[in-house]
This record gives sequence, structure tokens and C-alpha cells, in this order.
Amino acid sequence: EPEVTQTPSHQVTQMGQEVILRCVPISNHLYFYWYRQILGQKVEFLVSFYNNEISEKSEIFDDQFSVERPDGSNFTLKIRSTKLEDSAMYFCASSEDGSGANVLTFGAGSRLTVL
Amino acid sequence: RKEVEQDPGPFNVPEGATVAFNCTYSNSASQSFFWYRQDCRKEPKLLMSVYSSGNEDGRFTAQLNRASQYISLLIRDSKLSDSATYLCVVNRGNTDKLIFGTGTRLQVFP
Repeated sequence: EPEVTQTPSHQVTQMGQEVILRCVPISNHLYFYWYRQILGQKVEFLVSFYNNEISEKSEIFDDQFSVERPDGSNFTLKIRSTKLEDSAMYFCASSEDGSGANVLTFGAGSRLTVL
Repeated sequence: RKEVEQDPGPFNVPEGATVAFNCTYSNSASQSFFWYRQDCRKEPKLLMSVYSSGNEDGRFTAQLNRASQYISLLIRDSKLSDSATYLCVVNRGNTDKLIFGTGTRLQVFP
């Protein structure tokens, strides 16, 4: 079964450092997403990406965050200067289309710990 | 009012029991509804989409009431492996942005 792959599985960083989380979406999918889940809380939407640009972003996704699809396979989330409150599990997801009815497939997540 | 609201549980049920989870959503423009399952520290995985007419997949039955903005999930003949958190998920309006509930925790015991 096709899957979304995320690396690293766990990253520990110092506050103020830059972090890049990487994702390889399912190959024929066109819509890509980042969600995050702070420990013990609900899954929250960060950003959606289609056709090499952001299609929607949440209020969480401020200037410290950016996304990029640097080549035909990777989809990255960059946090420029990490804060303690950025500690969370970050899930990448992809879907075939952006109709809303289409199912998202999530990766296993990257756990970010900011010290 | 929260966009998607669920009883957090936990629901502790014996094997073989039938258990039902409820969920309400606030955005009447929402068009797509799902139940996802999340195991501890794992990613959400789709359990089933929820259709207007209601739908069933083996031991799982989902219902949607658009008038009341209410979604339900029924699990029959619970198995130990059903122990997980069940997430009610709704799209925001006519977008692909998914809004997750906080989840309902189910613990099935022998």
C-alpha cells in the first residue's frame, strides 16, 4: 500500500534553531498538507499546498514557518527560529485531489522537541 | 462553540460490547465527514468516510444527521484491537482543510 514517508522521526533542537522536516508524499498525489499535534491535544491544520504554492494556511502558520517542494518528490516544512511551543508531532499528508471529499493519507509523523 | 466537539471519554468496555460515539460540528457548510482512528503516538488513519445515507463497514456503522449537525460511530462486537482514540473529522466549508475533534478514547478489556 502506498505510504507517506516522513523524516526524521524525532528531532531534538535548541530554542532559536532552524528545523526542516521532510516528507515524501504518495507519488500520484497532487495536494500536500502539514498538520501538527501538541501532546495531549487535537490534530491541527497548518498549511495546504498545491501546484507549487500555498493554497491555505492557518493562523498558526506564521512567518516562522515555510513550506517548499524543492524537487519532484520531497515536501518540506521549515521552522526558522523554533520556540518551546513548537514542540509537537508534525504530520505530513497527501491526497489525490483537493475536493474535501478526498481522503488524506498521513505519514507516521516527525516528533519535534524544542529545549 | 468548538468546530468539532466530541466526548473525550474514556469509554471502557468489555470485549464483545457495542459502543457508540457521538460528534457535533458547527459549520453547516461542511460537506465531508470522516472517522479516523489514532493509536497512541501514531498518525491518524482513516476508519471510514461518513455518507448522508449512513454507511457500514463490517462491525462499524457511521451515521450523519445534517439537520442536527451530528455524526455518530457505532462499533459492534468490540475487539481488544479496537482500543484507540477515535477522531471525528469534518472539512471546513467547501475546502479540503480538515478540522479534527479532540477524539474519544476507547479501551476494550478482556
